[in-house]
Amino acid sequence: QKEVEQNSGPLSVPEGAIASLNCTYSDRGSQSFFWYRQYSGKSPELIMFIYSNGDKEDGRFTAQLNKASQYVSLLIRDSQPSDSATYLCAVRAGGAGNMLTFGGGTRLMVKP
Amino acid sequence: DVKVTQSSRYLVKRTGEKVFLECVQDMDHENMFWYRQDPGLGLRLIYFSYDVKMKEKGDIPEGYSVSREKKERFSLILESASTNQTSMYLCASSQDRPGNQPQHFGDGTRLSIL
Repeated sequence: QKEVEQNSGPLSVPEGAIASLNCTYSDRGSQSFFWYRQYSGKSPELIMFIYSNGDKEDGRFTAQLNKASQYVSLLIRDSQPSDSATYLCAVRAGGAGNMLTFGGGTRLMVKP
Repeated sequence: DVKVTQSSRYLVKRTGEKVFLECVQDMDHENMFWYRQDPGLGLRLIYFSYDVKMKEKGDIPEGYSVSREKKERFSLILESASTNQTSMYLCASSQDRPGNQPQHFGDGTRLSIL
């Protein structure tokens, strides 16, 4: 059973701080990693993806991947109240259909 | 931008009814997916399709069927709706090549079975 684990939270950070969201996965053959943001009552929207070890930056967001440790994280700099949402980590292991395995999500609360 | 359109945002049906949820994507994606999302259980894959007329069972296919007669449309069918199928249903699509493509989601259908 391929697993993707996230702390459900809530993770509470003050406005302007760095929010750090973590995700571990069990399948060592996993190839690509995605972060989705989901506001309450809405559908998931893609924030960013990462395929290679190291860091990938996009605006206030940085994804970090460590395949040896089977660990992927999302950093949100200068957190805003509008960042308050549930963040889903998704992992693709390979094979047909581009299937993803999703973690349960971490609820982030950014307090003004 | 990728557009995935689900036919209804909210739907109320009765126990025993046959329910159709429709999903259309406009990006010529090969892969399409149906998930349900429930509090505390996360996203669970019901069925997916990687080509026209092709379908594969996901983690929770019982009580559901699917149809993909055209590349852009993927339908989820509840053969005889039951109250435990009350949920948020999410459709997604993705390109197959090159590999490692993300899935793009529709707005979701919140289905209530009374």
